[in-house]
Amino acid sequence: GNSVTQMEGPVTLSEEAFLTINCTYTATGYPSLFWYVQYPGEGLQLLLKATKADDKGSNKGFEATYRKETTSFHLEKGSVQVSDSAVYFCALSPSQPGNQFYFGTGTSLTVIP
Amino acid sequence: DTAVSQTPKYLVTQMGNDKSIKCEQNLGHDTMYWYKQDSKKFLKIMFSYNNKELIINETVPNRFSPKSPDKAHLNLHINSLELGDSAVYFCASSRTAGGLRGEQYFGPGTRLTVT
Repeated sequence: GNSVTQMEGPVTLSEEAFLTINCTYTATGYPSLFWYVQYPGEGLQLLLKATKADDKGSNKGFEATYRKETTSFHLEKGSVQVSDSAVYFCALSPSQPGNQFYFGTGTSLTVIP
Repeated sequence: DTAVSQTPKYLVTQMGNDKSIKCEQNLGHDTMYWYKQDSKKFLKIMFSYNNKELIINETVPNRFSPKSPDKAHLNLHINSLELGDSAVYFCASSRTAGGLRGEQYFGPGTRLTVT
């Protein structure tokens, strides 16, 4: 079956620290992988995505590489800012149309000045 | 232009009441979804419609009934509201259901509080 396992939070970092949020998945076939971000009081927004093995998604200084050999899609940022404080969700869209999206449980990040 | 909109943004009501939440998307997508997010931020899919047809119907009480009058709209009606229904409800849409173009776009959410 399909599932996403995400690093549990909450995570608290100082400004300019390095961020890694781990995400691993199980899936049949070749899914697309996503990171979504939810700022306080808002809906989820797509942060980045990758649709095939070895693809790197990037946006706003965040990066994640689709690693089929380790079934992982870890989110990284070299230097976090206070404005990055949010909840981050890893997600999987199966390759077969007609199937639902699978979300991880979310990781809350707080960046302190 | 708002891609996925929901109304109302906040909904406070008493136990036993019936309420509806409306969702509209102007992205031309074929598939729409309802999610429930609890206080721990866990997202649970409730329903999905593709071209006005129900394709996902997770284990949700019968008190919840989705209605899709056309592929741009997906409304959620809740009967006999209970305290445990308090949550944030998100509508989302995608070009297709799953697959490479399964990327979902979310509305701003409706915070439902049942007292």
